[in-house]
Amino acid sequence: EAQVTQNPRYLITVTGKKLTVTCSQNMNHEYMSWYRQDPGLGLRQIYYSMNVEVTDKGDVPEGYKVSRKEKRNFPLILESPSPNQTSLYFCASSLTSGRRETQYFGPGTRLLVL
Amino acid sequence: GQNIDQPTEMTATEGAIVQINCTYQTSGFNGLFWYQQHAGEAPTFLSYNVLDGLEEKGRFSSFLSRSKGYSYLLLKELQMKDSASYLCAVREANAGNMLTFGGGTRLMVKP
Repeated sequence: EAQVTQNPRYLITVTGKKLTVTCSQNMNHEYMSWYRQDPGLGLRQIYYSMNVEVTDKGDVPEGYKVSRKEKRNFPLILESPSPNQTSLYFCASSLTSGRRETQYFGPGTRLLVL
Repeated sequence: GQNIDQPTEMTATEGAIVQINCTYQTSGFNGLFWYQQHAGEAPTFLSYNVLDGLEEKGRFSSFLSRSKGYSYLLLKELQMKDSASYLCAVREANAGNMLTFGGGTRLMVKP
């Protein structure tokens, strides 16, 4: 089944404790991205990747890192999480970054930073 | 950068028609998407417009006017399961074809 998976789905952590949220897609998609969703602010892009070893900042990259060593995986790293990073995170992928390409979203990761 | 506006909430009756509007300002328009998102779930693709006019897909239609920076999503024969948030997203050519989302419109369908 074609899908985007994220792990973990739910995470409670404390300020400053490094964490990684994994994202994997099995559709051989070139384009992958991370969003956070907060009430009243909608989905905001954190980072995106056009292909392996090619990543770039989105609208809200501060406090996050990403890597794209393989086509299928695009982990999101929070080196020192803070409470303002409490949010619902979505990973998404599309075949390319072409204008017609729709993005397929993972199920989301709900993060609480205490 | 972009500015995308859509109403925060709307209410409609089962069986009726509802129109959800989206206005946007962008320097390099490269397409507009509508997504549906049920509470606690991932957004799912509904429609795509890049040229002016109406795109129809079953009970859902989406309209675009590029000169006015305006789109709407039309839902016909509303069903209770259509209660969800509807997200308007604009693709900008100048930023790696990045997709920028509006805040979403929460639609409540009542019996």
